[in-house]
Amino acid sequence: DQQVKQNSPSLSVQEGRISILNCDYTNSMFDYFLWYKKYPAEGPTFLISISSIKDKNEDGRFTVFLNKSAKHLSLHIVPSQPGDSAVYFCAAKGAGGGADGLTFGKGTHLIIQP
Amino acid sequence: EAGVVQSPRYKIIEKKQPVAFWCNPISGHNTLYWYRQNLGQGPELLIRYENEEAVDDSQLPKDRFSAERLKGVDSTLKIQPAELGDSAVYLCASSPGEIGNYYGYTFGSGTRLTVV
Repeated sequence: DQQVKQNSPSLSVQEGRISILNCDYTNSMFDYFLWYKKYPAEGPTFLISISSIKDKNEDGRFTVFLNKSAKHLSLHIVPSQPGDSAVYFCAAKGAGGGADGLTFGKGTHLIIQP
Repeated sequence: EAGVVQSPRYKIIEKKQPVAFWCNPISGHNTLYWYRQNLGQGPELLIRYENEEAVDDSQLPKDRFSAERLKGVDSTLKIQPAELGDSAVYLCASSPGEIGNYYGYTFGSGTRLTVV
């Protein structure tokens, strides 16, 4: 039973355009969501996060939107750059208190075309 | 500031052999995690430590996996004996806990284990 789902294994976007990565979750007890970026042979690198009490968080070219009623979040990257090509993981934290372990989706491989 | 340090980066062993992975978290991070990432999947939590106490080990296969964090700093994850299905990347992460609604989860580069 996958609690965090990234239904697009891959996404190809032209350089300079907007990249939108989607994530759905089933557990309404998740209270904090994160996006990680991963290059081959490296560990996941933190990108941006959002608390469940917010619906938007922005950091430079990256914006995360949270729709709690739909149990859906998305990551927008604009403009997309070649260095953004990587695997992006959506992750969620339970509301058990403290720094709970994260539940991850399977990832979306973003490819930025020149 | 040094990040989360893991060693070795790569390990190839024969099935039924033991193997151990080491992790040194970011200084001051009380919470330490071990994750396993299979090919084409996201990381899955194996165990979480608060200081030296394992507070969540529900996903750790205890028949062959063990972990320790004796002084509440660095940690070791062991598999004995290894099976072919244990081939994966083993990731260590740490967190300082909640700081202003931010948790600072930071991952190491991982150890890629291949069991042959």
